[in-house]
Amino acid sequence: DTEVTQTPKHLVMGMTNKKSLKCEQHMGHRAMYWYKQKAKKPPELMFVYSYEKLSINESVPSRFSPECPNSSLLNLHLHALQPEDSALYLCASSPGSRGTDTQYFGPGTRLTVL
Amino acid sequence: QKEVEQNSGPLSVPEGAIASLNCTYSDRVSQSFFWYRQYSGKSPELIMSIYSNGDKEDGRFTAQLNKASQYVSLLIRDSQPSDSATYLCALSDMEYGNKLVFGAGTILRVKS
Repeated sequence: DTEVTQTPKHLVMGMTNKKSLKCEQHMGHRAMYWYKQKAKKPPELMFVYSYEKLSINESVPSRFSPECPNSSLLNLHLHALQPEDSALYLCASSPGSRGTDTQYFGPGTRLTVL
Repeated sequence: QKEVEQNSGPLSVPEGAIASLNCTYSDRVSQSFFWYRQYSGKSPELIMSIYSNGDKEDGRFTAQLNKASQYVSLLIRDSQPSDSATYLCALSDMEYGNKLVFGAGTILRVKS
């Protein structure tokens, strides 16, 4: 089973709202990722949690904040977003093995910021 | 900064033909390579991973890796209209938590 689940599937929010995206995997994977994908562009990494250690893409603005409550769950907290943050947000997980790690993506959350 | 280059296409092939998708990468030390398929509005779906020089076959798909030439390819035999999608070539950056570095993606259109 290589299933990664994400909720919600769609989210519309205003610029003053606070919302959270959720991601869950039950494959015993030790690494989880958030990617952002704009239309007609490839996914770009935002955050990595690997063995409970966070790595951040330093170009990601602070209005995005990740949280990893346990090794199966990964949240992305959103606050004071801008319309240009509208995109497909993808969660992925991988076993966490160095060198031959394979990432599996969830279905994504389509976010629209008004 | 690791980079992956792909021709964005579209690549059009008739049904039943072989589709050949290619990418090159910049960093000679890269070890792990992946092909993902992405339908419009959907998330990337893993087709194949390849780590060693040579060919790797899985059903109608064959991935080829040539580390000396820094070149990765994907062949799709007996192409079907359902194969029409964007194909993303990616490498794993071990220096940054195994993040995937993607090429721009190649749009494949299989015409019936």
